[in-house]
Amino acid sequence: GALVYQYPRRTICKSGTSMRMECQAVGFQATSVAWYRQSPQKTFELIALSTVNSAIKYEQNFTQEKFPISHPNLSFSSMTVLNAYLEDRGLYLCGARDRGNTEVFFGKGTRLTVV
Amino acid sequence: GDSVTQTEGLVTLTEGLPVMLNCTYQTIYSNPFLFWYVQHLNESPRLLLKSFTDNKRTEHQGFHATLHKSSSSFHLQKSSAQLSDSALYYCALSASNSAGNKLTFGIGTRVLVRP
Repeated sequence: GALVYQYPRRTICKSGTSMRMECQAVGFQATSVAWYRQSPQKTFELIALSTVNSAIKYEQNFTQEKFPISHPNLSFSSMTVLNAYLEDRGLYLCGARDRGNTEVFFGKGTRLTVV
Repeated sequence: GDSVTQTEGLVTLTEGLPVMLNCTYQTIYSNPFLFWYVQHLNESPRLLLKSFTDNKRTEHQGFHATLHKSSSSFHLQKSSAQLSDSALYYCALSASNSAGNKLTFGIGTRVLVRP
């Protein structure tokens, strides 16, 4: 079956430092990978959408300079949170799907705590 | 932009009783895809139901929902709740079937089923 592994599951970083999270698709081709953030008391908010062989599209309020994303092949994507501050804490979720398939498969998320 | 509104907070009910979680949406697109995702504790969000056909009931694992474009609704129902249905439920919207389109999530509804 289709699975998405996301790691690390939890991470703590000091304010002003950076952390990288990774997403691995198994059993299908991750043509499209979306990164979401769920801040405390909020729903999942799209950060950016990455499609292989296309430019990464960032949503309003999110930039490549802050959340650089790599999507080098059909099974892997990573995102870095640069210069993390308190407002960046939350659960980061990656969701991947194959071309022509409406179902998005999610990882278990990376919970970021900033101290 | 797109938005999804669903029953907020915690829904507590007794095993064997019916479940109904409301979901309404707003979008400029005439053919949206609507989804219900379920997330059990420490697990990834998992697709429960999806639909893009107006007035057609879709069913899975005892749950059902019907997309009504006239009222922009996609309510989730189940005739008899089970203890294992305790989880977070997210209603989500996608503009079309094309790979790479984003999901807009509702706030999520936590369901607790008691014996």
